[in-house]
Amino acid sequence: DGGITQSPKYLFRKEGQNVTLSCEQNLNHDAMYWYRQDPGQGLRLIYYSQIVNDFQKGDIAEGYSVSREKKESFPLTVTSAQKNPTAFYLCASSIPNRDTYQPQHFGDGTRLSIL
Amino acid sequence: KQEVTQIPAALSVPEGENLVLNCSFTDSAIYNLQWFRQDPGKGLTSLLLIQSSQREQTSGRLNASLDKSSGRSTLYIAASQPGDSATYLCAAMNSGYSTLTFGKGTMLLVSP
Repeated sequence: DGGITQSPKYLFRKEGQNVTLSCEQNLNHDAMYWYRQDPGQGLRLIYYSQIVNDFQKGDIAEGYSVSREKKESFPLTVTSAQKNPTAFYLCASSIPNRDTYQPQHFGDGTRLSIL
Repeated sequence: KQEVTQIPAALSVPEGENLVLNCSFTDSAIYNLQWFRQDPGKGLTSLLLIQSSQREQTSGRLNASLDKSSGRSTLYIAASQPGDSATYLCAAMNSGYSTLTFGKGTMLLVSP
């Protein structure tokens, strides 16, 4: 079955440490997204990529970095500059929406906590 | 900048009731409006997508409507079931962009 796989499901970060969240999709989607969700809040966009080797900042990109070297993969690094990283992180993918109306598909998320 | 608001934040109903979840958005020039379901600790599942040229979409017991002029969308759930218990989020996609602006969601509890 096609889908999006996020790993790990739970992740703990020490002070001053960078951590990388994995997101892999086998849906052959060009566009991929990273969102952050805090308790009782909606999703906020961190970064997105509409094509390999290209990505754009979302609303809350500070303290995060991404790469898009392969179509299937869009890893997110939470750097030590992100002072409040505790949150639920969701990855999504879609067919670009300028010409078609296709919903985003989501992974099951990674919950990141500070030790 | 697009802002999306969902009312109520939480809703508790007995099984069998018909219910309406509300979503409002500030910028009426949207590409589409989407409704998602989120179970605790899980990702989002797309329920319905309404294109800007459409007024409503239906899937089983779910019906979503869109009124761009008033900046509102509603999700109607008929004959609610305990399995409908989840958080429901709406999201607006703005013209010319491929990103979504989400509301904070409505947490629904349907009791047997």
